[in-house]
Amino acid sequence: EPEVTQTPSHQVTQMGQEVILRCVPISNHLYFYWYRQILGQKVEFLVSFYNNEISEKSEIFDDQFSVERPDGSNFTLKIRSTKLEDSAMYFCASRAGLAVHTGELFFGEGSRLTVL
Amino acid sequence: KNQVEQSPQSLIILEGKNCTLQCNYTVSPFSNLRWYKQDTGRGPVSLTIMTFSENTKSNGRYTATLDADTKQSSLHITASQLSDSASYICVVSDYSGYALNFGKGTSLLVTP
Repeated sequence: EPEVTQTPSHQVTQMGQEVILRCVPISNHLYFYWYRQILGQKVEFLVSFYNNEISEKSEIFDDQFSVERPDGSNFTLKIRSTKLEDSAMYFCASRAGLAVHTGELFFGEGSRLTVL
Repeated sequence: KNQVEQSPQSLIILEGKNCTLQCNYTVSPFSNLRWYKQDTGRGPVSLTIMTFSENTKSNGRYTATLDADTKQSSLHITASQLSDSASYICVVSDYSGYALNFGKGTSLLVTP
């Protein structure tokens, strides 16, 4: 069964360092998302991406964050200068795009980021 | 501000028993409501998706209901199994369909 894959599963970094989290969405999907979940808190929307551009972003997604689809398969989230409060589980998700309002969203297993 | 509130925060039930989880939301304009199951340390997995016109939807032992007038939804789990132990998250989308508003989840523990 097709699945969304994320790497790394866990990354530890020093405050101020740049981090790139990678995602391989399901191959025929058109809409891509990043979410984060701080330990013990709810999942929060970061950004959605369609047709090689950001379609919507939240207040959390400030200038420290960027997304990119460098080739036909990868979808990356970059955090330029990590802060302690960026420590969280980051989930990538993708959707086929057949129906914006009812299409099923498939999540990856997440990348846990720990900022020291 | 769009909000999704879930209750109870946590629940412990015996294997084989039924339970019902609640979700209230203020998201407007409403597009759809989803229930997800999230095992600890894993990504959420979709259980049901309901639009404005749907009142109920089932997926095996999971049955979700939606009252769009009162902005309430419930997830009923029948004949619970140990593997049902997880966090159950209510997610509501506005009409853009892009951003999803997540509840904090109900943590369910099914004990032998």
